[in-house]
Amino acid sequence: QVQLVESGGGLVKPGGSLRLSCAASGFTFSDYYMSWIRQAPGKGLEWVSYISSSSSYTNYADSVKGRFTISRDNAKNSLYLQMNSLRAEDTAVYYCARVIVVVVAGSDHFDYWGQGTLVTVSS
Amino acid sequence: SSELTQDPAVSVALGQTVRITCQGDSLRSYYASWYQQKPGQAPVLVIYGKNNRPSGIPDRFSGSSSGNTASLTITGAQAEDEADYYCNSRDSSGNLHWVFGGGTKLTVL
Repeated sequence: QVQLVESGGGLVKPGGSLRLSCAASGFTFSDYYMSWIRQAPGKGLEWVSYISSSSSYTNYADSVKGRFTISRDNAKNSLYLQMNSLRAEDTAVYYCARVIVVVVAGSDHFDYWGQGTLVTVSS
Repeated sequence: SSELTQDPAVSVALGQTVRITCQGDSLRSYYASWYQQKPGQAPVLVIYGKNNRPSGIPDRFSGSSSGNTASLTITGAQAEDEADYYCNSRDSSGNLHWVFGGGTKLTVL
């Protein structure tokens, strides 16, 4: 069965850096686009970033562009999110999710999610 | 970018039908997907595309769309359906950039 397990969260000071990881299993990781989605405490979901199956394409939410970098290692079945210049407003549970992109029909969706890892940015 | 708007809260009597709506310009071009999230848990996909349910999602969940509005309907709501529901679609720019609605808290009375 598909499993996504995030790790790397924790407490970091404003301006600091953190690298999140997501270990994937139960499917051919290299065939799928992947994404990071976050949820601030008591708030809604916010899409953060995606990466294509071969790492050729990425995109970011305006709120993290220039500070966060998504990457993947298909040999290790792993997804990463390098977060720099962290701000208090980046405090959230970060989920990795598998993305199904349906170009013609426009019926994209996130079909599997991990349990999330909490990032707290505070002095 | 674009926004998706949801009612913050909706309630339904046990066994009755409830519709949760999502409005946004991007929905004129792209289908919405819907996610159920219970407290302390990760979101779960319940509807995607025109009206598709992943394996394991009960058939009381259905989706529809008209103009700039997407709807999630639960026919015969059960106590276990009490949760937050989020809609999502691609941004209207056409790029692979997605937006979520603010979420709807569903209470089953």
